[in-house]
Amino acid sequence: GAVVSQHPSRVICKSGTSVKIECRSLDFQATTMFWYRQFPKQSLMLMATSNEGSKATYEQGVEKDKFLINHASLTLSTLTVTSAHPEDSSFYICSAATGPQGGYTFGSGTRLTVV
Amino acid sequence: GIQVEQSPPDLILQEGANSTLRCNFSDSVNNLQWFHQNPWGQLINLFYIPSGTKQNGRLSATTVATERYSLLYISSSQTTDSGVYFCAVRSGGSYIPTFGRGTSLIVHP
Repeated sequence: GAVVSQHPSRVICKSGTSVKIECRSLDFQATTMFWYRQFPKQSLMLMATSNEGSKATYEQGVEKDKFLINHASLTLSTLTVTSAHPEDSSFYICSAATGPQGGYTFGSGTRLTVV
Repeated sequence: GIQVEQSPPDLILQEGANSTLRCNFSDSVNNLQWFHQNPWGQLINLFYIPSGTKQNGRLSATTVATERYSLLYISSSQTTDSGVYFCAVRSGGSYIPTFGRGTSLIVHP
């Protein structure tokens, strides 16, 4: 089945630094990927939709300059949290659509802690 | 946009018990999935089921699209079933899934 690999699984960084999270589709091409943020004991909150070769579409309230998304190839999308602050600490998850009428497959998530 | 409601929000079971989780949605859907998020955060696809019934081992799911609900059945629950179960739907021309708030399941040995 479709596999989405997400790295790193866990990262701790200092305030003010930037962190890049990678999301790769391993055995299929993903023209569309999604980035979510999840707070403890809550559902997934969609941050942005990433389309290969074009700019990402951000959800309302998500700062595009803080959360930079790049989808340069059909198998790789990246999320960079720039100038991270403690309030950016969260669980970030990517997913890819596996076809126009198909389902979604998720990466294993990245737990970001900003100290 | 479409609304997705899951019930119950929390469920505690003894190992071996059966349970039914429900997902109601406010509009017609062309895609519905059930996911299990394990305690480490990984989301595992359980069923892609926009309509009909499917079974996979101890789990089965039924979606009655005309009545806008889906049910996930867990039989003979095990401690490894613990986690959060999410229902996600897609409707109309949107390719963006809408998630419910999830059902948190704890199975005690």
